Amino acid sequence: DSGVTQTPKHLITATGQRVTLRCSPRSGDLSVYWYQQSLDQGLQFLIQYYNGEERAKGNILERFSAQQFPDLHSELNLSSLELGDSALYFCASSVGGRAESSYNEQFFGPGTRLTVL
Amino acid sequence: GNSVTQMEGPVTLSEEAFLTINCTYTATGYPSLFWYVQYPGEGLQLLLKATKADDKGSNKGFEATYRKETTSFHLEKGSVQVSDSAVYFCALVGSSASKIIFGSGTRLSIRP
Repeated sequence: DSGVTQTPKHLITATGQRVTLRCSPRSGDLSVYWYQQSLDQGLQFLIQYYNGEERAKGNILERFSAQQFPDLHSELNLSSLELGDSALYFCASSVGGRAESSYNEQFFGPGTRLTVL
Repeated sequence: GNSVTQMEGPVTLSEEAFLTINCTYTATGYPSLFWYVQYPGEGLQLLLKATKADDKGSNKGFEATYRKETTSFHLEKGSVQVSDSAVYFCALVGSSASKIIFGSGTRLSIRP
């Protein structure tokens, strides 16, 4: 158990809908990262928040948005869903804000599996 | 830009066999290199890392050496176990970036 929790575990919805995925980081971690894992795209970094502010952006679509709240939990909002958005979405957390720091290991949650029908 | 290329799977071995999973990278500067493991139904876990050339990362019997001259970070284990069955991801973080770039993953299955 990494200490990172994600809800829900599974989500099934229809095209055009909007969903929200939730992530609670490990106690004491200030950074939250979101990743998408799909069969055709592999594992891709979406976005990072550090202490409530956006720190880095990856291949995140405009239909997707995220935020980190004062209690440090984060939500990933996916809207106007398409079939191709079906994937496993991971959240990770770390103490600091720089991924390359030796002391900034990222701990991954178990993921949310999103199925768009 | 930065990228990681790793050996395609799936790889199937018998218990106690020697394992090598190849990984090469393209990056400017001096990236940090990682191997992550994903067991069935779980998130990724950091297996080992190396932050500079000639460093060797090791954990749970796995090893990988950062080779700048060949831009490689191959994962090895001398004697695999059934419990090593998982998907392995090679990854890097560039010296000026804050995001991890992952390879495509290699699925490893170990037969008893």
